[in-house]
Amino acid sequence: AQTVTQSQPEMSVQEAETVTLSCTYDTSESNYYLFWYKQPPSRQMILVIRQEAYKQQNATENRFSVNFQKAAKSFSLKISDSQLGDTAMYFCAFMKPMRAQKLVFGQGTRLTINP
Amino acid sequence: DTGVSQDPRHKITKRGQNVTFRCDPISEHNRLYWYRQTLGQGPEFLTYFQNEAQLEKSRLLSDRFSAERPKGSFSTLEIQRTEQGDSAMYLCASSSQGGGTGELFFGEGSRLTVL
Repeated sequence: AQTVTQSQPEMSVQEAETVTLSCTYDTSESNYYLFWYKQPPSRQMILVIRQEAYKQQNATENRFSVNFQKAAKSFSLKISDSQLGDTAMYFCAFMKPMRAQKLVFGQGTRLTINP
Repeated sequence: DTGVSQDPRHKITKRGQNVTFRCDPISEHNRLYWYRQTLGQGPEFLTYFQNEAQLEKSRLLSDRFSAERPKGSFSTLEIQRTEQGDSAMYLCASSSQGGGTGELFFGEGSRLTVL
């Protein structure tokens, strides 16, 4: 079974700083998808960024980018120029390419951006 | 608002009572998911529907839990004879078929407290 581990329960940075959230996973699959989801306080979870394992190029979405190290099974999220609205729980998630988009989530990292 | 909606948002019940949660997915989405999120943890997959067919159930879904999606639109999740361990946030998500992109659209969740 796949497992996803986020070793940083909480992080806190100042506005405009860069922050990196860590995620490692365990799988025997060669093809899969990895995701970062954001869950703001009392609001619904939304997709931040997605990486397909067969793509070597790291995904980027505006201020959000990932560092995908397939051999090390590592998938970190970098947030540049952090903003107050980035304050949220961040979940790393894994998915096998199959009919059911069943995600396996990590425990989450609570990120606080301070003014 | 055409997002995923869940009702009720909060439910407090006494141990042994039955509770039912409702989820209305995004109208054009034919896939619907239920996840459970306990405090300090990431969401865990419970079950998945494609149209009205329940295609997968987690072992977490004991026989006290039942989910339906009778007309392939809204879904209900019923918990019978609730236990204190059932206290959690129950998240519903939906997605469109195909692509295996992994992007789920989540509702804000229904928080259950069992006293």
